[in-house]
This record gives sequence, structure tokens and C-alpha cells, in this order.
Amino acid sequence: DAKTTQPNSMESNEEEPVHLPCNHSTISGTDYIHWYRQLPSQGPEYVIHGLTSNVNNRMASLAIAEDRKSSTLILHRATLRDAAVYYCEPSGGSNYKLTFGKGTLLTVNP
Amino acid sequence: DAGVIQSPRHEVTEMGQEVTLRCKPISGHDYLFWYRQTMMRGLELLIYFNNNVPIDDSGMPEDRFSAKMPNASFSTLKIQPSEPRDSAVYFCASSLYGSSYNSPLHFGNGTRLTVT
Repeated sequence: DAKTTQPNSMESNEEEPVHLPCNHSTISGTDYIHWYRQLPSQGPEYVIHGLTSNVNNRMASLAIAEDRKSSTLILHRATLRDAAVYYCEPSGGSNYKLTFGKGTLLTVNP
Repeated sequence: DAGVIQSPRHEVTEMGQEVTLRCKPISGHDYLFWYRQTMMRGLELLIYFNNNVPIDDSGMPEDRFSAKMPNASFSTLKIQPSEPRDSAVYFCASSLYGSSYNSPLHFGNGTRLTVT
């Protein structure tokens, strides 16, 4: 499986943008890049995923480097409810399962 | 849709007892995953099913753990006998096609297991 590197923790202020980085240098050509987050006392929640092009949805934006070895999850205006652990996980091709690393703990200050 | 439903939400049992965790996936989803989460080890994939058939159980810690999916709408994870080190939050997730086909995982709220 491809491995990822994420900062252990990040801090942001409410209503400011947050850029969460992820390195996945061993990603294969057919792997999607998935982002999930886990709020306290809840199961992980899907945020966004992409293959090559940048992606946007109502929750966030995903910027994927041209060489696909890194990506950045962008929360345009952080709220207190965005405080969570954010996981970046490549998966795809013949691998139907998703494994999770340690993720980034995002703290949002009021 | 009600989402992935897990029961019970909390389970407290004594060492040596049998524990059964239950999961109802989202209707129409072909893949079902069981995960375990602890502070020390994070979120670990235990086993996953495709169309009710176990595909990869390499994450199952030992023979005390077993998982079944008798039909498309129900799965169980059983621990027999349970040990204190099995204390964790167990999550069930389902997806339409598996994570490789543009198909996100939907997680339940988990079962918090405490073995004393």
C-alpha cells in the first residue's frame, strides 16, 4: 500500500482558511486520493477524493500536485465544527480496501 | 437512508466472555468493512467483504476473532473469548464498489467495547 506523511497536528483560527498537506510519494497511477475526517466520538466521515484534477465540493477543495506525490485539503473558512482528525489515504487499482494512517489533528480556535 | 447501523453502541463484558458486534450496511452497498480503533494503534482494518464473501481477513488479530456476513444486510464480528486488550471502538463501514472505484466509505457510529 502507498504510504502517506501528514503533520501530526495543525492549528487554525475560526473563519480562516486551512491548508492540510499530505505527501504520498509512492502512490500508484490508478490510486485515488481520499480524505476523511473523524470528529470526536464519531466514525470517520468522507470529505473528498480525486485522481488528478483539483476537486471541489460543499465541504472542501482538494488540490493535487501535478506529479500526484502530494495533495492539499483546503477548508476555505474553518469553523469550530471542523476540529477533527483528517486522514489522507491513497487507494485504488486492484486494492479495494482503505487503510488509515495517523492523520492530522486540526484544532480550530475561536 | 439511515446510514450504517451498529449495535450495541456500548458493550461492557468480563474477560473470557463472548462478545458479538452487529452491523447493518447501507442497502445496495456491496462492500462491508470492519475496523478497530485504539489510541495506541489508531484505526486498523480487520476484514472486509464483497457481496457477503470475506475477501481479506489479514487484519484479524487472532483466532479469537471471527466475522460473518450471512446476507447483504447484516454482518457480525465475534470475539470469543474476549480479553482486556480487545477493548477498543469497533467501526463498521460500507461502500458501493469498494474504495477503488470512486466510492466513499460510509461509517457507522461504532461500538465501544470494554473488557474488564
